[in-house]
Amino acid sequence: DAKTTQPPSMDCAEGRAANLPCNHSTISGNEYVYWYRQIHSQGPQYIIHGLKNNETNEMASLIITEDRKSSTLILPHATLRDTAVYYCIVRVVDGANNLFFGTGTRLTVIP
Amino acid sequence: GAVVSQHPSWVICKSGTSVKIECRSLDFQATTMFWYRQFPKQSLMLMATSNEGSKATYEQGVEKDKFLINHASLTLSTLTVTSAHPEDSSFYICSAASSLVRVYNEQFFGPGTRLTVL
Repeated sequence: DAKTTQPPSMDCAEGRAANLPCNHSTISGNEYVYWYRQIHSQGPQYIIHGLKNNETNEMASLIITEDRKSSTLILPHATLRDTAVYYCIVRVVDGANNLFFGTGTRLTVIP
Repeated sequence: GAVVSQHPSWVICKSGTSVKIECRSLDFQATTMFWYRQFPKQSLMLMATSNEGSKATYEQGVEKDKFLINHASLTLSTLTVTSAHPEDSSFYICSAASSLVRVYNEQFFGPGTRLTVL
């Protein structure tokens, strides 16, 4: 699986959009971009994933650049409960494949 | 999404004892289960991958005789930490995936088990 690079930490004001970047310059054509988050002392939670098109669900939006070398996770209206470590992972889509968690970005939503 | 439970959520034990952690997929059949370990302020590290009915595949550096994994059914996997020592104190997390029902080929994570060895 391709490596990803994320900033170690970010702050965001409550109610504002949180934009979390991820670089994955060595991504291959059959690898998807996945985002998970981990709230303190809990198991990771799936957020969203995409291949090359932008994706949106009830939790977030995922913007993938045209060359697929980077992406941005957008939480449109951050709340205090969004404070967590966010992991960007690239992987082929196969249920048997494990996930390689990098160091992630620690997002702190500030009141 | 699918629900994965772990039991216990936390455990404290004495050095030298063995501890069993259960991971259950509550509403789907998990053909593959994964066990991760997370030390404080660190990321999740995969320990092993287990497929139902077969032996687990351990990551490099993980002792298979110390961390016994059993995946006897499509809804249950267990991790037994044998002869636990203080350095085994960690947050253990399981996840489950299914090749039978392709829900984005997702892994669904349990809530984790915090093990403290005194």
